[in-house]
Amino acid sequence: QVQLVESGGGVVQPGRSLRLSCAASGFTLNEYSIHWVRQAPGKGLEWVALRWYDGSNKEYADSVKGRFTISRDMSKNTVYLEMNSLRAEDTAVYYCARDGVPFYDYIWGSYRPNYLDSWGQGTLVTVSS
Amino acid sequence: DIVMTQSPDSLAVSLGERATINCKSSQSILSSSNNKNYLAWYQQKPGQPPKLLIYWASTRESGVPDRFSGSGSGTDFTLTISSLQAEDVAVYFCQQYYNTPPYTFGQGTKLEI
Repeated sequence: QVQLVESGGGVVQPGRSLRLSCAASGFTLNEYSIHWVRQAPGKGLEWVALRWYDGSNKEYADSVKGRFTISRDMSKNTVYLEMNSLRAEDTAVYYCARDGVPFYDYIWGSYRPNYLDSWGQGTLVTVSS
Repeated sequence: DIVMTQSPDSLAVSLGERATINCKSSQSILSSSNNKNYLAWYQQKPGQPPKLLIYWASTRESGVPDRFSGSGSGTDFTLTISSLQAEDVAVYFCQQYYNTPPYTFGQGTKLEI
C-alpha cells in the first residue's frame, strides 16, 4: 500500500540548515508529484513546496522561496526538502504528501498537480536558539 | 493568491445530527474547460496527519463513509456530515488547487460533539 515516511526533523538554531526526507513506497515517484505541507503548533495547514512527477517544475510558497529546495533521489524513491536560513517561523510539523492524480491519468488537458491523497505522519522541525 | 475562508471556526453538533461546514474562495475555482471545481476537503484528527475526504468538490475518496458529502460551485462550497458519529470529531480543512501556486487551505473548522 501507499506509504510516505518523513524523517530528518529536529531542533536547529536560527540561520542554520536542515534536510528532510520523504521515503515513498507502494508507488513510484516518477508517476506522481509530491508536495510538502507544514503545520505550526496549534495552527492550520500551509502548503510549502511541490516537485512535479518528472521534475520539470518545482514550486514554492513565497515564505520559503530562495531558502528551501525540493529534490529527489529516484534510486531511493525519496524526496528531500533542503531548508536553509531557517527562522523561528519555520517551526512546524512538516508533512510530505502525494498528489492525487498520476500524470498518466490526467485527462483534463496538460498535466497539473491537484489534491493530496496520501500523507506521511510528519516530522517536527523546531527552530530555536 | 486565492484566499480560502471557512465558517464557522468551530462547531458543536450532537451525535446523529447534521454538521455543515462552509468554505468560500476569494475567486472562482470552477474551470470552464472541464466544468470541475478544484476544491478538496480534508479531515485531521488530533495527533494525526490530514486525510483526504472529498475532491473535485463532491467526489468522495475511496473508503470515506457516505455520510460525508461535498457540494457547491464557483466560490461557495459545503462539507456536510449527515449524521455525526463520535469518530468524526476533528478539524476540517478545505483546499483549492485551481490557481496555483500556492495550493491554499482554509483556516480550519473544529468540529466537536
